[in-house]
Amino acid sequence: DAKTTQPTSMDCAEGRAANLPCNHSTISGNEYVYWYRQIHSQGPQYIIHGLKNNETNEMASLIITEDRKSSTLILPHATLRDTAVYYCITGSGGSNYKLTFGKGTLLTVNP
Amino acid sequence: DTGVSQDPRHKITKRGQNVTFRCDPISEHNRLYWYRQTLGQGPEFLTYFQNEAQLEKSRLLSDRFSAERPKGSFSTLEIQRTEQGDSAMYLCASSWEGGEKLFFGSGTQLSVL
Repeated sequence: DAKTTQPTSMDCAEGRAANLPCNHSTISGNEYVYWYRQIHSQGPQYIIHGLKNNETNEMASLIITEDRKSSTLILPHATLRDTAVYYCITGSGGSNYKLTFGKGTLLTVNP
Repeated sequence: DTGVSQDPRHKITKRGQNVTFRCDPISEHNRLYWYRQTLGQGPEFLTYFQNEAQLEKSRLLSDRFSAERPKGSFSTLEIQRTEQGDSAMYLCASSWEGGEKLFFGSGTQLSVL
């Protein structure tokens, strides 16, 4: 079973920030938080990952709470092409091949 | 970087037939993974290779499933005596050893009639 909890769906207006929450209350000290997304009819795409500190890349920002029990993925300026299922996954860096995907959050960006 | 390539994109077969899928990973990646995804669910891990060695298989991979990666390059996933329950998207991914990112292909959609 997935070790994370995410809302089933969310909506966001185009051009606004999309904030996707994830609860991972059982995360262990050496586990990372990974985010992937899957656009319809495509394979999952890596977005970002982090351990303790907040992370930012060209796609998104990842905010991890101090107790590491939850995190938020932020898409700063959502576009229609960001409509996808977003998966939050926890795992140890060395065993990242065994990514345990849950059902994710379907983000719909509306014009 | 041409990405992970999977062939075919779609496969329709009759129950009881054998099918084989091919995955070409990103050339410099030495790890290759297979996942399966059914409708409405996230992908599930099936197996992974490091170079030509198959290092782990999920219990989801029944005896009818076999995967190979000769010479540590492309990989094939064969399903023998297909069943309707095998209908799913079969996803391949690759990465560097110890790399934090998995790069996925677009998958092969299998429909067993």
